[in-house]
Amino acid sequence: AQKITQTQPGMFVQEKEAVTLDCTYDTSDPSYGLFWYKQPSSGEMIFLIYQGSYDQQNATEGRYSLNFQKARKSANLVISASQLGDSAMYFCAMRELDRGSTLGRLYFGRGTQLTVWP
Amino acid sequence: DGGITQSPKYLFRKEGQNVTLSCEQNLNHDAMYWYRQDPGQGLRLIYYSQIVNDFQKGDIAEGYSVSREKKESFPLTVTSAQKNPTAFYLCASSRRDSKNIQYFGAGTRLSVL
Repeated sequence: AQKITQTQPGMFVQEKEAVTLDCTYDTSDPSYGLFWYKQPSSGEMIFLIYQGSYDQQNATEGRYSLNFQKARKSANLVISASQLGDSAMYFCAMRELDRGSTLGRLYFGRGTQLTVWP
Repeated sequence: DGGITQSPKYLFRKEGQNVTLSCEQNLNHDAMYWYRQDPGQGLRLIYYSQIVNDFQKGDIAEGYSVSREKKESFPLTVTSAQKNPTAFYLCASSRRDSKNIQYFGAGTRLSVL
């Protein structure tokens, strides 16, 4: 079963508008982390935002916020006031502890291609 | 500036050849990782290492090998046993803490001649 599901292959938003990128996850671990990364056409993965499973409040980092709904197992990324430079692929990821290890490992979704138009 | 350096940016492999991708970090991170990305796909874990001289297989380790002789370095060798090596390879590192946020290098694009 997919651990991370991103159902939107592509999204379009006009500059200065807000956009929500969807992400649902599947885990039975009580302790996990949720991440969003941005991948521009250059290929580098850029860390955007983190949410821990025990965090009470939704994470925010500048124009990025993570809408964490634990009961629904969703971790949507909200980008406010979109900019042309936000056009990129966005990946949702989840960290679980690997068996026999004290270190978590990441599982990635397939990504959502965001296009911001003027 | 602290960061993760991957080299080369582009690499070409001939049939039957082993090639090595370099990954160096100066973030003083304990953990390092290698991922493979195919077109239109997310990242898949190849190998990871928590500490020097220790590493574990990820989901797609067959045809790859790694070493971790220094904290700063985690090279990946794509062996001739890997029949479909054409992909984008990303290296990452992280602290061994509760968040375990992984930071990535710029990637190496490997193609077969």
